[in-house]
Amino acid sequence: GAVVSQHPSRVICKSGTSVKIECRSLDFQATTMFWYRQFPKQSLMLMATSNEGSKATYEQGVEKDKFLINHASLTLSTLTVTSAHPEDSSFYICSARDPGSYQPQHFGDGTRLSIL
Amino acid sequence: AQSVTQLDSHVSVSEGTPVLLRCNYSSSYSPSLFWYVQHPNKGLQLLLKYTSAATLVKGINGFEAEFKKSETSFHLTKPSAHMSDAAEYFCVVSDQITGGGNKLTFGTGTQLKVEL
Repeated sequence: GAVVSQHPSRVICKSGTSVKIECRSLDFQATTMFWYRQFPKQSLMLMATSNEGSKATYEQGVEKDKFLINHASLTLSTLTVTSAHPEDSSFYICSARDPGSYQPQHFGDGTRLSIL
Repeated sequence: AQSVTQLDSHVSVSEGTPVLLRCNYSSSYSPSLFWYVQHPNKGLQLLLKYTSAATLVKGINGFEAEFKKSETSFHLTKPSAHMSDAAEYFCVVSDQITGGGNKLTFGTGTQLKVEL
């Protein structure tokens, strides 16, 4: 079964609203989680690294106030897209690092965000 | 610094014929290299990984890849394509020196199409 659960899988909302996406690690504790954005037919772009109990590390060009990340527990990280606009529409994917696994990161199934 | 170049954005093969997806990498240190597969609107699934052990790596679903340091390549192959192999494939490099999170750098992806 899936080791990383991402919710919701799809969301459609009006411009100006805020949207929260959850990423949960199942069966393991993840001190580090990652948030990616993927545009159609393009690769994954790392947005930020989420560290449990501390501030997230954002990649260059990613607005911290726009994409709020909270990693309050060892199994949950959330990404909130604040005051979303149509240009924020995208596929967002989270991943989590399991120190006990041979895999570098386990990926969620992604969230398709559509802003009208 | 590390980077990955996937030489083909699209590859089309007939079912039952061999698959070759090309990848070249650049890394300042000894890299870890991975191939991931992504089906539509899904997250990423690890096919195989190279981490300085055997240069020929076997993965799931009959895929394998060979690490060639002299050519800085890590091409993905499969002897016989199946319809279910149609998906997007990403070559990924991880710089082990970064530590604390295994930051991944993704290639731009290769869309594999399998025809009857």
